Amino acid sequence: QSVLTQPPSVSAAPGQKVTISCSGSSSNIGNNYVSWFQQLPGTAPTLLIYENNKRPSGIPDRFSGSKSGTSATLGITGLQTGDEADYYCGTWDSSLSAVVFGGGTKLTVL
Amino acid sequence: QVQLVESGGGVVQPGRSLRLSCAASGYTFSRHGIQWVRQAPGKGLEWVAIVWYDGSKTYYGDSVKGRFTVSKDNSKNTVYLQMDSLRAEDTAVYYCTRIFGELLNLDYWGQGTLVTVSS
Repeated sequence: QSVLTQPPSVSAAPGQKVTISCSGSSSNIGNNYVSWFQQLPGTAPTLLIYENNKRPSGIPDRFSGSKSGTSATLGITGLQTGDEADYYCGTWDSSLSAVVFGGGTKLTVL
Repeated sequence: QVQLVESGGGVVQPGRSLRLSCAASGYTFSRHGIQWVRQAPGKGLEWVAIVWYDGSKTYYGDSVKGRFTVSKDNSKNTVYLQMDSLRAEDTAVYYCTRIFGELLNLDYWGQGTLVTVSS
């Protein structure tokens, strides 16, 4: 049971848009930055979004992040088959004094 | 370019110890903290430990607290994860990741090293 809640899976057609939610509480998302990570099959995770809505260099602007209250959202537009991956949100939990991750969301591009 | 290379994984019996290493290159090692994150087969990411840029502070996940110890040797550009009293549930790929700024700004990840705890 993860501290952060993500849907297990989402799917959409190529070219479409998809959003992935990450729900937490005031001790984690509500008062700390959120990051998003992409894990392509068989590879290590990579940083996709940091500090709620910033993209590292090299990450296309098709990927976006937002936060409102105790929830965060990852948006992906112009879906490509290469976007098929597992996506994880993560943040610091001030009550637990721990890094917490969501359970992950598997994106399928139909 | 920035590189993180983990080593030291393998098969170990329950109750035994193992030490993982994370060798860094391509940046000023002493300016960045390191996190260890693990992933059990077919499962999601689980945070393991953090070591501060200067090694002065460490934090651990509840599942490893009291059994794992993380340390940072800035003279060798290497972080170590000493894992004692290993259990079957510690079986996972262990990744080291670089922190830049905030704790979840994990901008570079190693390729991971597999630890299997089995008799």
